[in-house]
Amino acid sequence: DAKTTQPTSMDCAEGRAANLPCNHSTISGNEYVYWYRQIHSQGPQYIIHGLKNNETNEMASLIITEDRKSSTLILPHATLRDTAVYYCIADTGANSKLTFGKGITLSVRP
Amino acid sequence: NAGVMQNPRHLVRRRGQEARLRCSPMKGHSHVYWYRQLPEEGLKFMVYLQKENIIDESGMPKERFSAEFPKEGPSILRIQQVVRGDSAAYFCASSPPGQGMRKLFFGSGTQLSVL
Repeated sequence: DAKTTQPTSMDCAEGRAANLPCNHSTISGNEYVYWYRQIHSQGPQYIIHGLKNNETNEMASLIITEDRKSSTLILPHATLRDTAVYYCIADTGANSKLTFGKGITLSVRP
Repeated sequence: NAGVMQNPRHLVRRRGQEARLRCSPMKGHSHVYWYRQLPEEGLKFMVYLQKENIIDESGMPKERFSAEFPKEGPSILRIQQVVRGDSAAYFCASSPPGQGMRKLFFGSGTQLSVL
């Protein structure tokens, strides 16, 4: 599976958009980009995933560059409850395990 | 539709005792995954099961740990003769058949404390 790299942490103001970057320069053609988040002391929560096209759901938008070497998760209006560790994962979807890295800690400030 | 249910939420054991962690997947889900999260560390895959079958146990410690997902009832993660290093949060996730790894639904976890 392609390795992903994310900054260690970032913060944003409540009500503003949070743009979380992820690099996956060695991603292969059949690997999806998944995003999960883990709020403190809770189980991880699926956010969104995509292959080539940009995706949007009720939680977030996923923008994948045309060469697929990087992507950005966008939380359009961050709230304090969005403070969490966000994991970007590249995986074919056919493997038997999803491997979580260190993720990026997003802190939303009032 | 209830989510993934894990119990107990907190489990305290003394060294040498057995710990049994239970996971009921979401209705209709036949795939179960167990992950462990040590304090201040990331999530580590342990085992992937389907009904009555262990598909991938590459993340399971070689000794003292076992998992099952019987035809009826919850999935069980069993830790025999617990040691202090087993203290961690154990998370279970499930997914529906045919979805592969695309979307996992996680439970709230069991926090195991070994005294």
